[in-house]
Amino acid sequence: GAVVSQHPSRVICKSGTSVKIECRSLDFQATTMFWYRQFPKQSLMLMATSNEGSKATYEQGVEKDKFLINHASLTLSTLTVTSAHPEDSSFYICSATRGTGGPYEQYFGPGTRLTVT
Amino acid sequence: GQNIDQPTEMTATEGAIVQINCTYQTSGFNGLFWYQQHAGEAPTFLSYNVLDGLEEKGRFSSFLSRSKGYSYLLLKELQMKDSASYLCAAMDSNYQLIWGAGTKLIIKP
Repeated sequence: GAVVSQHPSRVICKSGTSVKIECRSLDFQATTMFWYRQFPKQSLMLMATSNEGSKATYEQGVEKDKFLINHASLTLSTLTVTSAHPEDSSFYICSATRGTGGPYEQYFGPGTRLTVT
Repeated sequence: GQNIDQPTEMTATEGAIVQINCTYQTSGFNGLFWYQQHAGEAPTFLSYNVLDGLEEKGRFSSFLSRSKGYSYLLLKELQMKDSASYLCAAMDSNYQLIWGAGTKLIIKP
């Protein structure tokens, strides 16, 4: 149990366009979902935390108007990278937990590799 | 500030034992996680420690000392498939994970 999927796994887009990444919990209800970005040979960088039905909480330095997060249901969260630029090229990973406010294990999706040309 | 330190890279021999250390400084503490991440893939959960001591799970064990802000991951009977990055993450008082940069483990035959 506790499977998280992401779609697409890879995407190439042109500079200035927008890209939507979906994160789904397949066999559990994800009260909280997290979006991370990881550059080569670097650690995971938390971008934002979202709870179902409420606005996402963005980490310092992450532009909320550029990285739109929607957590419309207990099994789906989406990240939209708007007006993408080459510096947005990265590995984007989502994770989900079953609860809030506790030391819950995060279940990770397989990641989405975004390349902006 | 909050900080996690772990070695950047380690090399070990197939069949041997390796210990990956992690020290942490967080605002409050709600446990220490270890994740394994193969290149180009997402992290997978290995262990969670919230009390002092050693937790053993097959070939992998994880140790925690809260007074020292220290943890280690012990891998026994190393296999080539264990070549990966190992991420240490401490959970602070807000239940946020503070991630280390990861230790790249290289296994040689």
